[in-house]
Amino acid sequence: NAGVTQTPKFRILKIGQSMTLQCTQDMNHNYMYWYRQDPGMGLKLIYYSVGAGITDKGEVPNGYNVSRSTTEDFPLRLELAAPSQTSVYFCASKGGHPNEKLFFGSGTQLSVL
Amino acid sequence: KQEVTQIPAALSVPEGENLVLNCSFTDSAIYNLQWFRQDPGKGLTSLLLIQSSQREQTSGRLNASLDKSSGRSTLYIAASQPGDSATYLCAVTTGTASKLTFGTGTRLQVTL
Repeated sequence: NAGVTQTPKFRILKIGQSMTLQCTQDMNHNYMYWYRQDPGMGLKLIYYSVGAGITDKGEVPNGYNVSRSTTEDFPLRLELAAPSQTSVYFCASKGGHPNEKLFFGSGTQLSVL
Repeated sequence: KQEVTQIPAALSVPEGENLVLNCSFTDSAIYNLQWFRQDPGKGLTSLLLIQSSQREQTSGRLNASLDKSSGRSTLYIAASQPGDSATYLCAVTTGTASKLTFGTGTRLQVTL
């Protein structure tokens, strides 16, 4: 099983550019999440989704947008990239019960210069 | 607001030692607590999940305990090996949508 797949693995953006980080899972999970991880910090929740067509903001949503048109895919859109968005981004998914484990993708390292 | 703290931030031990990593959280209204492992440049892998009604979980050389009333969890690693070197994060699940709040992690190095 592929699990949670993120693309790209690395990306460099110029200030003001836009891009979409792709995330897809093949486990038929309802819940999907986007986190960012800054050096020495824990993971911060950007956006999450409890099912196709439903999304909601996490702790740090400013500067990002998401969509969930299918169960499998949960892309994260960065509009007008800023240096503060330099980070490692992780997508994760889990089943609908609270006591199911969370599965992570391998991450996207993004630099905004 | 839930806050999760992990102490120490970094730990270096010689191979073969037993060790304990600590995690504390401020709001005891949790569904569960998970311990994750993160290798450099990689995603997180769930090691153990302790439900709020449980006191501990074991997997091989790993044993995690949970004291929900005091807001504490420990991860015990027996007979440490160099392959255990990684960052270990704990996270608690709360509220609707099963959102996780993460600690900042403990970076473990096991030396030969």
